Amino acid sequence: DVKVTQSSRYLVKRTGEKVFLECVQDMDHENMFWYRQDPGLGLRLIYFSYDVKMKEKGDIPEGYSVSREKKERFSLILESASTNQTSMYLCASSLGGQTKKTQYFGPGTRLLVL
Amino acid sequence: AQKITQTQPGMFVQEKEAVTLDCTYDTSDPSYGLFWYKQPSSGEMIFLIYQGSYDQQNATEGRYSLNFQKARKSANLVISASQLGDSAMYFCAMREGLYRDDKIIFGKGTRLHILP
Repeated sequence: DVKVTQSSRYLVKRTGEKVFLECVQDMDHENMFWYRQDPGLGLRLIYFSYDVKMKEKGDIPEGYSVSREKKERFSLILESASTNQTSMYLCASSLGGQTKKTQYFGPGTRLLVL
Repeated sequence: AQKITQTQPGMFVQEKEAVTLDCTYDTSDPSYGLFWYKQPSSGEMIFLIYQGSYDQQNATEGRYSLNFQKARKSANLVISASQLGDSAMYFCAMREGLYRDDKIIFGKGTRLHILP
């Protein structure tokens, strides 16, 4: 079974702190994604990566950066956390180049910025 | 304009009844894929079913089926014989183009409550 893990289920940070959210997948997937989920807005893509050291902006990249130094790990960085970044963050991975293959999601990190 | 529309923010259904969750989509790309995901209160997104735009038959996976009406751009999820464990948030999603993962767009979701 594909497994996507995220470093924390719950996280509380203060405004202005630098925040790292880590995601690891164990199935050698090329593609990895970071979404945020807010009530009434569904999932919105922040950043994604097709390969090591590659990154592409999604729909809402402002205030975020990412790092992919190893194939299995994709990190989301909030350089200076703000209260409007309080949200649920979901990481996903996929094999790529497949029609029916879906994205596999981690359990999510609920981030509260005070 | 929204690309994926789920018009039912919430639904209450009696256990063992069939459930239909609505989803309409908008795309000019002739090649696309449609997905449904389930998100229980634990937070993890669980893939349920996939329908490709060129698939001739409606997709089925156990108790889940996708009622694909291409001309109406409709991709409703049907859950037969609902169970208490089906209570969750359900998301419809679309990938424009058959291979590009970055183009998956999610709807806002429908919260389903199954009543005992």
